[in-house]
Amino acid sequence: KNEVEQSPQNLTAQEGEFITINCSYSVGISALHWLQQHPGGGIVSLFMLSSGKKKHGRLIATINIQEKHSSLHITASHPRDSAVYICAVLLTQGGSEKLVFGKGTKLTVNP
Amino acid sequence: GAVVSQHPSRVICKSGTSVKIECRSLDFQATTMFWYRQFPKKSLMLMATSNEGSKATYEQGVEKDKFLINHASLTLSTLTVTSAHPEDSSFYICSARPLEVYNEQFFGPGTRLTVL
Repeated sequence: KNEVEQSPQNLTAQEGEFITINCSYSVGISALHWLQQHPGGGIVSLFMLSSGKKKHGRLIATINIQEKHSSLHITASHPRDSAVYICAVLLTQGGSEKLVFGKGTKLTVNP
Repeated sequence: GAVVSQHPSRVICKSGTSVKIECRSLDFQATTMFWYRQFPKKSLMLMATSNEGSKATYEQGVEKDKFLINHASLTLSTLTVTSAHPEDSSFYICSARPLEVYNEQFFGPGTRLTVL
């Protein structure tokens, strides 16, 4: 079983729809990242969370540490939001740290 | 915001040659940089953690003699793929962690390596 599970794997929406992408993890973490990867491959860090909720423009990320679950929401979705969204958890092991990535959710927003 | 660059963005080379990829933090200092590899439709996989002034820490299964990492300054880390083979063809991404924020990473745009 993967340490980080994302759902759904693929998501198609119409412009304007509210989008939710979920991430569950099975280990204790020190932080969780939401990343966006465009078709060209470049990765942009959207949020880093260790508790609660963060908002940036139309994007909202929440995390529930007790339930080991995080969600990424996109309000009023737009075709330019089409990308792969990746959840990554930061593990601290023996004084070192590493990010463990989910497989990503491919979002397509149609006009 | 913090910017990380990678060079080259795309490289095609012949089997047996070596390829160097640079990762630079442009507007911040990074004691730690990370190198990832991504196969098509797969998750990013951590290859190694690069610390300025010391040897890199490689993940299990990653050959240190194959993937040479040098972190010579607080703004530059390099990954050299030695004696490249077609199976080394992949998307290589680096990230850099700022000095002041231990759990934040900023990602480079990636390097697409194709070995013929």
